[in-house]
Amino acid sequence: GENVEQHPSTLSVQEGDSAVIKCTYSDSASNYFPWYKQELGKRPQLIIDIRSNVGEKKDQRIAVTLNKTAKHFSLHITETQPEDSAVYFCAASATSNAGGTSYGKLTFGQGTILTVHP
Amino acid sequence: EAQVTQNPRYLITVTGKKLTVTCSQNMNHEYMSWYRQDPGLGLRQIYYSMNVEVTDKGDVPEGYKVSRKEKRNFPLILESPSPNQTSLYFCASRAAGTGNRGYTFGSGTRLTVV
Repeated sequence: GENVEQHPSTLSVQEGDSAVIKCTYSDSASNYFPWYKQELGKRPQLIIDIRSNVGEKKDQRIAVTLNKTAKHFSLHITETQPEDSAVYFCAASATSNAGGTSYGKLTFGQGTILTVHP
Repeated sequence: EAQVTQNPRYLITVTGKKLTVTCSQNMNHEYMSWYRQDPGLGLRQIYYSMNVEVTDKGDVPEGYKVSRKEKRNFPLILESPSPNQTSLYFCASRAAGTGNRGYTFGSGTRLTVV
């Protein structure tokens, strides 16, 4: 089955700096890669996602890059703000039943605790 | 409002006493899933369902049961809870199809088994 590794487990930055979180996945059939943000005591919320037919996607201060050959993808947050402090999760899924992979599964990384200091 | 609703939000129970956590979604989503969240382990998938009467095991299914008799509901059943099932549980749903996005999560159920 799919295995997603996420690094670092904690990340501390100063307000205004950039933050980068990296993930690797194992199943070459995975073709959909969402990122979730979870604030303290809240549910995970989807913040950005990327599909395997694209190498990069941006949404204001956040961007995600994907390298299918190397099986890794990254989240980039620029001009960080204190309200960006949260736990971030990457995930991987196959959205079609290619190669027998079950497309109901969404496998998460272990999470990164991001702290942005004012 | 489009949402995934779980109940209860908090539950304390004793070892061996059967319990059910309910989950309902109003978005007509085909896929539904249960996750548990434990410190340092992220979100681990327990079971998922691709449609009515179609369910499959996730990564940590032992000790849990699910059913999908209606499209909107996906209850999680613990027949004989044990302390190692103390965790934060999330139900989630998503639409089928390659163009649709990731799971939408419910608010979570914090379960303590003593």
